[in-house]
Amino acid sequence: GENVEQHPSTLSVQEGDSAVIKCTYSDSASNYFPWYKQELGKRPQLIIDIRSNVGEKKDQRIAVTLNKTAKHFSLHITETQPEDSAVYFCAASISGNTPLVFGKGTRLSVIA
Amino acid sequence: DVKVTQSSRYLVKRTGEKVFLECVQDMDHENMFWYRQDPGLGLRLIYFSYDVKMKEKGDIPEGYSVSREKKERFSLILESASTNQTSMYLCASSPSAGGGTEAFFGQGTRLTVV
Repeated sequence: GENVEQHPSTLSVQEGDSAVIKCTYSDSASNYFPWYKQELGKRPQLIIDIRSNVGEKKDQRIAVTLNKTAKHFSLHITETQPEDSAVYFCAASISGNTPLVFGKGTRLSVIA
Repeated sequence: DVKVTQSSRYLVKRTGEKVFLECVQDMDHENMFWYRQDPGLGLRLIYFSYDVKMKEKGDIPEGYSVSREKKERFSLILESASTNQTSMYLCASSPSAGGGTEAFFGQGTRLTVV
């Protein structure tokens, strides 16, 4: 089955700097790659996703890139703010009827 | 707004008790999931269901069972609770589609087994 590796497990950045979180997946049939943000004590919520027919997607300060050949995808957050501090999870799935397989998460701390 | 609601935010149960965790979604989603969240281990899939009365084992099904008698409700059952089942449990739902789709999560149930 699918396996998703996520790095780093913790990341500290100064406010205003950029943050990058990387994930690799094992199943070349995976075609959907969402990123979730979980603030302390809250549920995970989708912040951005990308499908395998797209190489990059942006939404304001966040972007995701996908390299299908290398089977890895990355989350980029620019101009980080304290409210970006949270745990971020990447995930992958093959189809609409298969579950998302999650990475182990990255705890991002933005230092003011 | 999609709403996934778990019946309890916090639960404390004794070892050996039978425990029911309930989850209800209001968006007519075909798929429902139970994940367990532990520090450093991320979200691990326990069971999922892609239709009423259907269930599939996830990565860590041992010690758990599920029930889906109605489309909107998915229950996780701990047959005989043990201390190593102390964890955060997250329910999620998603629509069925040709490609992968967003999963919407409940607020979580923090279960402590003593």
